[in-house]
Amino acid sequence: DADVTQTPRNRITKTGKRIMLECSQTKGHDRMYWYRQDPGLGLQLIYYSFDVKDINKGEISDGYSVSRQAQAKFSLSLESAIPNQTALYFCATSREGAGELFFGEGSRLTVL
Amino acid sequence: KNEVEQSPQNLTAQEGEFITINCSYSVGISALHWLQQHPGGGIVSLFMLSSGKKKHGRLIATINIQEKHSSLHITASHPRDSAVYICAVTNDMRFGAGTRLTVKP
Repeated sequence: DADVTQTPRNRITKTGKRIMLECSQTKGHDRMYWYRQDPGLGLQLIYYSFDVKDINKGEISDGYSVSRQAQAKFSLSLESAIPNQTALYFCATSREGAGELFFGEGSRLTVL
Repeated sequence: KNEVEQSPQNLTAQEGEFITINCSYSVGISALHWLQQHPGGGIVSLFMLSSGKKKHGRLIATINIQEKHSSLHITASHPRDSAVYICAVTNDMRFGAGTRLTVKP
């Protein structure tokens, strides 16, 4: 089993729908991150969490929200999806700020 | 403007060639990561370094903190090295746009 698991792996939805992407990890890491990847732009940080109930905005948090109710789980929500949120989303974990990053396999979201 | 710049954006090499990918950044950092993204999309960590040089198999990563520059080298490149290589700086987790490497047999 993967150390960092994302669900769903692929999702197609319509504009205005609420979407939740879930991330769970078995690494025992405190720090978890959500990124989006767009072609040619690299990974951009959406939100990150250093501990349960700790939430911090990244560089592109508008239109997204997150929840960290347990150490092993970090969920990303799009309250009202729009087409420019079509992207590949990655969850990652690390043991500490300068620790090695472990990525999930990615969730491809298409908003029509 | 991205605070983390990678060059080249695309690189094609023949099997066996020595490869160098460069990463420059504009902010002070505590560490830099090199990542590999496979054609299927999965991302794995190759190196995390804050000074000097690290080696793992045919891969070597170097960093010069004063010059704000890091390089990833691949010796004796192989088609299975074909992937996108990404550098990232840890202070605010900024990522470069990636270098797409294709190694031809």
